[in-house]
Amino acid sequence: ILNVEQSPQSLHVQEGDSTNFTCSFPSSNFYALHWYRWETAKSPEALFVMTLNGDEKKKGRISATLNTKEGYSYLYIKGSQPEDSATYLCASSSGSARQLTFGSGTQLTVLP
Amino acid sequence: DGGITQSPKYLFRKEGQNVTLSCEQNLNHDAMYWYRQDPGQGLRLIYYSQIVNDFQKGDIAEGYSVSREKKESFPLTVTSAQKNPTAFYLCASSIQADFYSYNEQFFGPGTRLTVL
Repeated sequence: ILNVEQSPQSLHVQEGDSTNFTCSFPSSNFYALHWYRWETAKSPEALFVMTLNGDEKKKGRISATLNTKEGYSYLYIKGSQPEDSATYLCASSSGSARQLTFGSGTQLTVLP
Repeated sequence: DGGITQSPKYLFRKEGQNVTLSCEQNLNHDAMYWYRQDPGQGLRLIYYSQIVNDFQKGDIAEGYSVSREKKESFPLTVTSAQKNPTAFYLCASSIQADFYSYNEQFFGPGTRLTVL
């Protein structure tokens, strides 16, 4: 993996469903992995910053895990609500880049 | 309220004109960043500054210039040398000089630049 890749690009879920997204990043020379939530017409806001292999972080119904050896992170949303609708960005500093490299995001729509 | 402001929200310019985008923060953050977003792509780093009077090129610095004369301000000039300037521009800051990106970044609302 040379770049930061996110999947899926977009998804629609029903209110109450749980869902998860994937972020892949270069596993060599890893420094940090960031997750941001970007709601329409607002600024991106940080959800998590993770630096250690095996890190798990949680904020309310949202949690994230980190595997630096294989270069992936998962973001989980439990019991999705319409207000969770947003684009979720991940970014890593790893490989040859010590500044953040962003993925193109996963656009989540939660249907009432 | 503390935060980052960017002005204007929408900006239109004729091809060949330089244009300066404003970014101001009152968070007392040391580091500031400029990103560009194009449809279907992730945010790409244009320039960043870890401290006043110092700045570094990011991944796509060609055709752009910046200054960091004050801690709270980091204006971005899009010059006529930038071949595809139409894009959404985001400014961000983080609390301290961050050489490995360990600190979360705080973002402004963005400026959408359209070059006609």
